[in-house]
Amino acid sequence: GAVVSQHPSWVICKSGTSVKIECRSLDFQATTMFWYRQFPKQSLMLMATSNEGSKATYEQGVEKDKFLINHASLTLSTLTVTSAHPEDSSFYICSARESGYEQYFGPGTRLTVT
Amino acid sequence: QKEVEQNSGPLSVPEGAIASLNCTYSDRGSQSFFWYRQYSGKSPELIMSIYSNGDKEDGRFTAQLNKASQYVSLLIRDSQPSDSATYLCAVTGGSYIPTFGRGTSLIVHP
Repeated sequence: GAVVSQHPSWVICKSGTSVKIECRSLDFQATTMFWYRQFPKQSLMLMATSNEGSKATYEQGVEKDKFLINHASLTLSTLTVTSAHPEDSSFYICSARESGYEQYFGPGTRLTVT
Repeated sequence: QKEVEQNSGPLSVPEGAIASLNCTYSDRGSQSFFWYRQYSGKSPELIMSIYSNGDKEDGRFTAQLNKASQYVSLLIRDSQPSDSATYLCAVTGGSYIPTFGRGTSLIVHP
């Protein structure tokens, strides 16, 4: 149980384009979903927290107009990186929680912006 | 500001030994404590959660919590090369948003 999927697993896009990443909880309803970013050999950085049907809460320093988060249902959240630039290249990971404090991570999406 | 501290390592242990990973946290009101394992290039995987003082065992893993000392640890018995990974400590307080440590790199050598 507690399986979270992400799609795509990797993506290459050109600078200035937008990329959408999907995060799905497959066998539970996710009360909350989280989006993280991780650069090579660095720790996880929480970008935002989203609850189904409400606006995401972004961490300080994360541009909400650049990283659009939509938590459309209890099993789906999407992250759209708008006008991507090479510095946005990173490993984006979502996680989800049901009703407890435990978070379950998706496999991650590796984004490369050329 | 809530902080979770871990020694970055690497911690190197021989195969079959006990690996001991430690974590301290600053928020005395913390309630939930987690250990995640992250292999290089992969996302974190939850391996243990602990909520009350004492020990919690699951297979080769034992989590230990001491709230008075604000200390949580993870013991891995009979360490295997496949246990080589970065281990992340995560702590939550009144909200469900965890604070993660930077992780300890564990290397188990044959």
